[in-house]
Amino acid sequence: DAGVTQSPTHLIKTRGQQVTLRCSPKSGHDTVSWYQQALGQGPQFIFQYYEEEERQRGNFPDRFSGHQFPNYSSELNVNALLLGDSALYLCASRRGGYNEQFFGPGTRLTVL
Amino acid sequence: LAKTTQPISMDSYEGQEVNITCSHNNIATNDYITWYQQFPSQGPRFIIQGYKTKVTNEVASLFIPADRKSSTLSLPRVSLSDTAVYYCLVGDTGRRALTFGSGTRLQVQP
Repeated sequence: DAGVTQSPTHLIKTRGQQVTLRCSPKSGHDTVSWYQQALGQGPQFIFQYYEEEERQRGNFPDRFSGHQFPNYSSELNVNALLLGDSALYLCASRRGGYNEQFFGPGTRLTVL
Repeated sequence: LAKTTQPISMDSYEGQEVNITCSHNNIATNDYITWYQQFPSQGPRFIIQGYKTKVTNEVASLFIPADRKSSTLSLPRVSLSDTAVYYCLVGDTGRRALTFGSGTRLQVQP
C-alpha cells in the first residue's frame, strides 16, 4: 500500500513564474491538506480539500490555490512566485472521521 | 487552537530514556494531544495521540496529568535513528488543520 506521494521531488523556479505541485493521497483517504515548511520552522497550514472543495484555509494569499480531483488527488498552484515562497511543500491525507494524518515526503521548491 | 511551548532542543545518548515536555495551558475540553516526528527533508510522522492519563504504543508513551495543561512524550532507550524534530500539537485534529510550533530538536549521540 503506497503512502502519500508527491511530485516533483525538487523544483527550481524564478521570481514571477507559476508552479504546480501534485499529491496522491494514501489509499482510502479522501481529505488532502497542504503545508508550507520554511527552513528551520514547523509546517504551516495552507488549505484543506474534501469532496473536491476547499474546506479550510490558512493565512496564505490568493496566489496559493488548489484543486482536488474525483480520485482524491490534489494540486497546489502558486502564482507570481516570490523568493519567500522557497520552502518544502508537504501534502497530508487522512480518512474522513479519523484523526491521524499521513504526510508525503514533500516537494522542495527553490525560487531564484 | 491551543498554543504549545516545548524546549527548542535536547541532547541524549543511545540507550537512555528521553522525556520531552510540552506546555499547553489553554487546552480546550475537546482537544487531543498529538506528537509528530520529523526527519530532515521528510514529512512529519504521527507518533502518538492521547486525551488524558497515559497512552503507550510500540514507539513511545504519552503522559498527561489530570489538569491536561502539559504532556510528556517518553521515548524509551533512544537510538541514533531517533535524532529528529518532535512536534507537540493540541487541538481537534480530526477536523481541523494541524498547527505546528517550532518543535524540539532531539540529538542522540553514541
